[in-house]
Amino acid sequence: EAGVAQSPRYKIIEKRQSVAFWCNPISGHATLYWYQQILGQGPKLLIQFQNNGVVDDSQLPKDRFSAERLKGVDSTLKIQPAKLEDSAVYLCASSLVLQMHSGNTIYFGEGSWLTVV
Amino acid sequence: SQKIEQNSEALNIQEGKTATLTCNYTNYSPAYLQWYRQDPGRGPVFLLLIRENEKEKRKERLKVTFDTTLKQSLFHITASQPADSATYLCAPFFQKLVFGTGTRLLVSP
Repeated sequence: EAGVAQSPRYKIIEKRQSVAFWCNPISGHATLYWYQQILGQGPKLLIQFQNNGVVDDSQLPKDRFSAERLKGVDSTLKIQPAKLEDSAVYLCASSLVLQMHSGNTIYFGEGSWLTVV
Repeated sequence: SQKIEQNSEALNIQEGKTATLTCNYTNYSPAYLQWYRQDPGRGPVFLLLIRENEKEKRKERLKVTFDTTLKQSLFHITASQPADSATYLCAPFFQKLVFGTGTRLLVSP
């Protein structure tokens, strides 16, 4: 079974530029997540989709970050304009259903490493 | 807001010994707690889930305990191997998974 696919794997941009990350979840997974992981920290949830609807985007800096999941499959995360503190790994993940009290396993991709200089 | 505490210092042990990692949380108890393994440059990989009404869960050489009174989960790896060297993240579920900073485990031959 194919895992969560992400691209690009690495990206270096200057501050104030824009960047976009793409994610293809595991086939059949209804829920898709974007996490930000800063070096030395645990992943922090940015946004969670159930099919193509947003379930939680409370920690997404909406003045510069945006995400969409058209057709309920692939997703893109965009940062515009980027700041130095956005340097992090952006992890996409998916789960079969919405992870409420059932405790569904979340499957992570390898991540997209962003360096803002 | 919830605070998740894991040892920020790396844990160094010798091959064959039991590694014990700690996860503490504040405020109210989670419905369940998950443990993940993360290797350098890779995404986290799910290992175990333990629910609030379970005291202990085992999977091969892994054991997780959950003490809601102490607000703590312990993660044990018995007969540790160098291949177990990685960062281990705990993630209690408080309406959503909240990840700790992780503890790096180094197993020496």
